[in-house]
Amino acid sequence: KNEVEQSPQNLTAQEGEFITINCSYSVGISALHWLQQHPGGGIVSLFMLSSGKKKHGRLIATINIQEKHSSLHITASHPRDSAVYICALRGYGNKLVFGAGTILRVKS
Amino acid sequence: DAGVTQSPTHLIKTRGQHVTLRCSPISGHKSVSWYQQVLGQGPQFIFQYYEKEERGRGNFPDRFSARQFPNYSSELNVNALLLGDSALYLCASSLAVEVGEAFFGQGTRLTVV
Repeated sequence: KNEVEQSPQNLTAQEGEFITINCSYSVGISALHWLQQHPGGGIVSLFMLSSGKKKHGRLIATINIQEKHSSLHITASHPRDSAVYICALRGYGNKLVFGAGTILRVKS
Repeated sequence: DAGVTQSPTHLIKTRGQHVTLRCSPISGHKSVSWYQQVLGQGPQFIFQYYEKEERGRGNFPDRFSARQFPNYSSELNVNALLLGDSALYLCASSLAVEVGEAFFGQGTRLTVV
C-alpha cells in the first residue's frame, strides 16, 4: 500500500467550478506539501501544512492530522490552473514522499 | 534573486554511458535533495545533502551517486545508464535539513536511448 494516495487521478472541470483534490496518507508526518507541476516539469510549492488551513488567493489547503487527510481546493477555477497537483509528505526524516499527482484540466 | 537552477535542461545519452547533472540551490540554502520522476508518476527521493554530507539516500542502485560542493551546489552522477533511467531529475533546495519549505528547480529531462 502506498504511503500517500491522491484522488482523483484525473479531473476535468469547466472554468469557474470549485475543485477539490484529496490526499490521504498512512504514516506520521511533520508536514504536508501541496505542489503544482506544469508541463515541462517545473514544480512550484503552493502550501506547506502541519495543521489547520491555509489560503492563498483562490487556493485553500486543509489538513486533518487525526484522519491523515488533506484537501486542496481551487475556487473559481481558470484554464491557467491546468496542471498536475501533487501532495507530498515530509516525515520525521528529511525526504519528501510524493503522491502520484492529480492531472487537472480546466476548460474555458 | 535566482531560484534553484539546474543544468542541463535536456539531455540524451546512450545506454552504458554516464551522466552528470548539476544543481545550484537558492542563495543561503545549505540543503539539496535530488528526486527522480518517471513519466506519469510522482517524484522519488534519491539523495539529500546538507553541509556537504549525505544525509539521506533513497532506494536507488549504487550507479547513482552525488556530492555537494563548498558553495552548496550539487552534482548527481549516474553510471552505466539504463533505458529505465530516462526521467525528469528534480533538485530541491531548503535552508537546512529539517526546515520545511523546499524550492524546486525546473528539472533535467534525461532520455536514455
